Amino acid sequence: AQKVTQAQTEISVVEKEDVTLDCVYETRDTTYYLFWYKQPPSGELVFLIRRNSFDEQNEISGRYSWNFQKSTSSFNFTITASQVVDSAVYFCALSEAEIYNQGGKLIFGQGTELSVKP
Amino acid sequence: DTGVSQDPRHKITKRGQNVTFRCDPISEHNRLYWYRQTLGQGPEFLTYFQNEAQLEKSRLLSDRFSAERPKGSFSTLEIQRTEQGDSAMYLCASSSDRGEQYFGPGTRLTVT
Repeated sequence: AQKVTQAQTEISVVEKEDVTLDCVYETRDTTYYLFWYKQPPSGELVFLIRRNSFDEQNEISGRYSWNFQKSTSSFNFTITASQVVDSAVYFCALSEAEIYNQGGKLIFGQGTELSVKP
Repeated sequence: DTGVSQDPRHKITKRGQNVTFRCDPISEHNRLYWYRQTLGQGPEFLTYFQNEAQLEKSRLLSDRFSAERPKGSFSTLEIQRTEQGDSAMYLCASSSDRGEQYFGPGTRLTVT
């Protein structure tokens, strides 16, 4: 069965601190995709990143970086120099590969609520 | 605005009533998904369309729930005989083949 675990329910940091959100996944598929979404207080899920299981290179986008390690089944997300606007719930998600019209539904973790205080 | 739109944004209904939600995906996307999110939880998959064909349904989707996408464009999700346990945020997402899913703002349902 597929499963995503975000063990950190809430994290609180002070502005300009770095913060890492953990994500551990389980799947029997050899080909899969991993995602991070942001859900600000307004409620709309915002896509941040998608990685496929064959690409273990770390990725950096501005203050955001992602560390994918297949050996530990982890896909962690780091925000450098956090800002108040980063306050949101962050979800990690897993999608199986495309097989015979299977649509790649997302399996979400429970989310980590990040609070960045000024 | 060319994002995913959902209507209504909020719905309050009495237990036992039927409700219908609408989702308009990004126009060039052929895939459409429905999810349900309850407070403090991640979204849970309900069903998926590729064009007008409904290709997968979750076990969460009881027989009181039905979804359609008649012309492969917008989709509707109907809940019959609503129960208090149906109170949740109903999210719609769309994607192209092998593309990432983009979500709409959701419809918040409250069953009293």
